[in-house]
Amino acid sequence: DAGVIQSPRHEVTEMGQEVTLRCKPISGHDYLFWYRQTMMRGLELLIYFNNNVPIDDSGMPEDRFSAKMPNASFSTLKIQPSEPRDSAVYFCASSLTTGGNQPQHFGDGTRLSIL
Amino acid sequence: AQSVTQPDIHITVSEGASLELRCNYSYGATPYLFWYVQSPGQGLQLLLKYFSGDTLVQGIKGFEAEFKRSQSSFNLRKPSVHWSDAAEYFCAVGLSGGYNKLIFGAGTRLAVHP
Repeated sequence: DAGVIQSPRHEVTEMGQEVTLRCKPISGHDYLFWYRQTMMRGLELLIYFNNNVPIDDSGMPEDRFSAKMPNASFSTLKIQPSEPRDSAVYFCASSLTTGGNQPQHFGDGTRLSIL
Repeated sequence: AQSVTQPDIHITVSEGASLELRCNYSYGATPYLFWYVQSPGQGLQLLLKYFSGDTLVQGIKGFEAEFKRSQSSFNLRKPSVHWSDAAEYFCAVGLSGGYNKLIFGAGTRLAVHP
């Protein structure tokens, strides 16, 4: 049973460039979450989707960040233009539909470095 | 507002010693509670979960946790720690009532001395 798959695992790019992170959730999961993890701020929820529809994007730091889920098996998180303070590990997670009692399953993350 | 507090940022134990990681939550309704572990360079892996019923729950890797409603706590325990348990541990509360979000604590980093 394949877990949540994220790509790339590592990304190093220069400030101002566009960055696209990708996620394939577990088949059959209705919810998809994007998190950012840094030493200073810990694990932050950026946005989550239910049945491909964004439900809560209040954690998206600013307009430079955008996320899409064109179908049930694929989501992207895009940063344009990127800045050094965006350097972090970005996680994607998915879960089944419930009222909160289903665990989220995490991918291995994308370690993003903006120079 | 909902919150999760893990009072210990770092804990160091000797291999073979017992372990208890503390977690306190603030949530008005019935909580769904989770413990996750994150090894270096990896994502979060579910250790165990509590929804209802027996307040002592067993998880993977020999971990257990006890839900105490009167103390709003969900502490994680292991009777004998192995060097491979060195990792960061996160407690989380799942919101009921139609939401599917998890509120995570700040994490506790565990170091294990040989």
